[in-house]
Amino acid sequence: KQEVTQIPAALSVPEGENLVLNCSFTDSAIYNLQWFRQDPGKGLTSLLLIQSSQREQTSGRLNASLDKSSGRSTLYIAASQPGDSATYLCAVRNRGSTLGRLYFGRGTQLTVWP
Amino acid sequence: DVKVTQSSRYLVKRTGEKVFLECVQDMDHENMFWYRQDPGLGLRLIYFSYDVKMKEKGDIPEGYSVSREKKERFSLILESASTNQTSMYLCASSLILDSPLHFGNGTRLTVT
Repeated sequence: KQEVTQIPAALSVPEGENLVLNCSFTDSAIYNLQWFRQDPGKGLTSLLLIQSSQREQTSGRLNASLDKSSGRSTLYIAASQPGDSATYLCAVRNRGSTLGRLYFGRGTQLTVWP
Repeated sequence: DVKVTQSSRYLVKRTGEKVFLECVQDMDHENMFWYRQDPGLGLRLIYFSYDVKMKEKGDIPEGYSVSREKKERFSLILESASTNQTSMYLCASSLILDSPLHFGNGTRLTVT
């Protein structure tokens, strides 16, 4: 069964810092990996989707990389802002018979202080 | 933009009641999912559906059922609500299996 781990569980940084969030998964036979953001009491917002054949995806100040063979993905946030404060989750979709489902990490709770 | 709408943001029900949680998406997505999210446990998949009238059990289907009579609507049913079903319920959809997953804003259900 796929296990997804996110380190650190919580991160607090001053505004303006560049930061890296980590995601690791145990089964490298994945279809894709997706990063989400969740604000308190709200649903998840999709940030970036990386297909298994891709190495990275970029959207604005966000860059996500994928190293499938080592079972790792990183989300890089450039020039962090207080509005980036949220919980960030990664999720992987496996190949195989359970093609529809995603496996989620527990998330990294990010606080950016002014 | 994709819109996934959950009918209620907050819901309070009594133990033993039958509870319906409704989810509607407006982008003709094939796949729809119900998750629950609890502190310390993360997101857990209850059921998903990859076509009208088709459904698959997730990790924690006990005590729940689902209905998908139309492509845009996926309902989660708590047959007899219990206090351990107090949780945040999140609906999601995706166009096809390798496209991004889009979530609704969630329904916070309290069973007393």
